[in-house]
Amino acid sequence: EAQVTQNPRYLITVTGKKLTVTCSQNMNHEYMSWYRQDPGLGLRQIYYSMNVEVTDKGDVPEGYKVSRKEKRNFPLILESPSPNQTSLYFCASSLREQELKGEQYFGPGTRLTVT
Amino acid sequence: AQRVTQPEKLLSVFKGAPVELKCNYSYSGSPELFWYVQYSRQRLQLLLRHISRESIKGFTADLNKGETSFHLKKPFAQEEDSAMYYCASITGGSNYKLTFGKGTLLTVNP
Repeated sequence: EAQVTQNPRYLITVTGKKLTVTCSQNMNHEYMSWYRQDPGLGLRQIYYSMNVEVTDKGDVPEGYKVSRKEKRNFPLILESPSPNQTSLYFCASSLREQELKGEQYFGPGTRLTVT
Repeated sequence: AQRVTQPEKLLSVFKGAPVELKCNYSYSGSPELFWYVQYSRQRLQLLLRHISRESIKGFTADLNKGETSFHLKKPFAQEEDSAMYYCASITGGSNYKLTFGKGTLLTVNP
């Protein structure tokens, strides 16, 4: 089944403890992206990647890192999480051709709470 | 920078009533516009795109360049239409960035 998976789905952590949220897609998509969803703010892009080893900042990259060593994986890294990073995180992917048409496939989301 | 505005955070209608979810964009060129939908406890998914001029689940959306709008409409709302709706736009150039509005929560009452 073609899909985007994220792990973990739920995470409660403490300020300053490094964490990684994994994202994987099995559709051979070139483009991958991370968003955070907050009430009243909608979805905001954190980082995106046009292909392997190509990443760039979105609208709200502060406090996050990403890497794209393989086409299928795009992990989101929080080196020193803070409470303002408590949010619902979505990973998305698309083909380059489809990206021109805005059709992104979304993962199920990861609910992160930083205390 | 391009912006997508959805003026209504909440919209409540009765089953069978017409529904219109508003979306305005700010971009001087020719953006491509989309509506995404997120049903309760489900992932975000594409509903429709303006370039296809299609009708999905009875919804349609017309791009009005004069008013810079891309409102989503359905003549007769159903209870299963209750969901969060996001308008989004994409521009070309080097980063193909998808920009979302803040979303409208539609509730269709029986």
